[in-house]
Amino acid sequence: AQTVTQSQPEMSVQEAETVTLSCTYDTSESDYYLFWYKQPPSRQMILVIRQEAYKQQNATENRFSVNFQKAAKSFSLKISDSQLGDAAMYFCAYRSALGSQGNLIFGKGTKLSVKP
Amino acid sequence: NAGVTQTPKFRILKIGQSMTLQCAQDMNHNYMYWYRQDPGMGLKLIYYSVGAGITDKGEVPNGYNVSRSTTEDFPLRLELAAPSQTSVYFCASSHYGWTSGRTSVSTDTQYFGPGTRLTVL
Repeated sequence: AQTVTQSQPEMSVQEAETVTLSCTYDTSESDYYLFWYKQPPSRQMILVIRQEAYKQQNATENRFSVNFQKAAKSFSLKISDSQLGDAAMYFCAYRSALGSQGNLIFGKGTKLSVKP
Repeated sequence: NAGVTQTPKFRILKIGQSMTLQCAQDMNHNYMYWYRQDPGMGLKLIYYSVGAGITDKGEVPNGYNVSRSTTEDFPLRLELAAPSQTSVYFCASSHYGWTSGRTSVSTDTQYFGPGTRLTVL
């Protein structure tokens, strides 16, 4: 079974600085997707970025980028020029590209605080 | 598009009571999911559906039932509420089909509703 591990329960960053959130996963599959979701205090789950395992190029969405290391099974999220609105829980998630279930497997999350 | 909507936002139940959590999506997605999120944890899959009339269990299905009579709606039923079911419940939907550049069918990004906070006392 696949597992997702986020080893940093909490992180803090100064406004305008850069922070990296860690995520590792365990799978025997070669084809899968990885995601970062943001959950602000409103509890809404918001997709931040996604990565397809068969693509070597790291995904980027504005100030958010990932460092995808397939061999190491690592998928870290870098937030540049941090803003107060980035404060939230961040969840790393895995989804198999095989089979028909398609559900997400989540890590326990990292709580990010942004200091003004 | 409203996306994925859930009702109610909050609910308090007494032990043994029943209720239905409603979920609807207007994106014509064929896949729908129910997850629960316990404090300090990620989301865990309760049930999912690949289309109208087809449902299947996820990781934590005990104490819940679902039905999918239409593409749009995917209600979650709690028959005999227990304190262990105190949680935040999220509904999600996604499209299942060919993704550009792929050679096999796969599901696309999941979109989540705002969640229902349920407390069982």
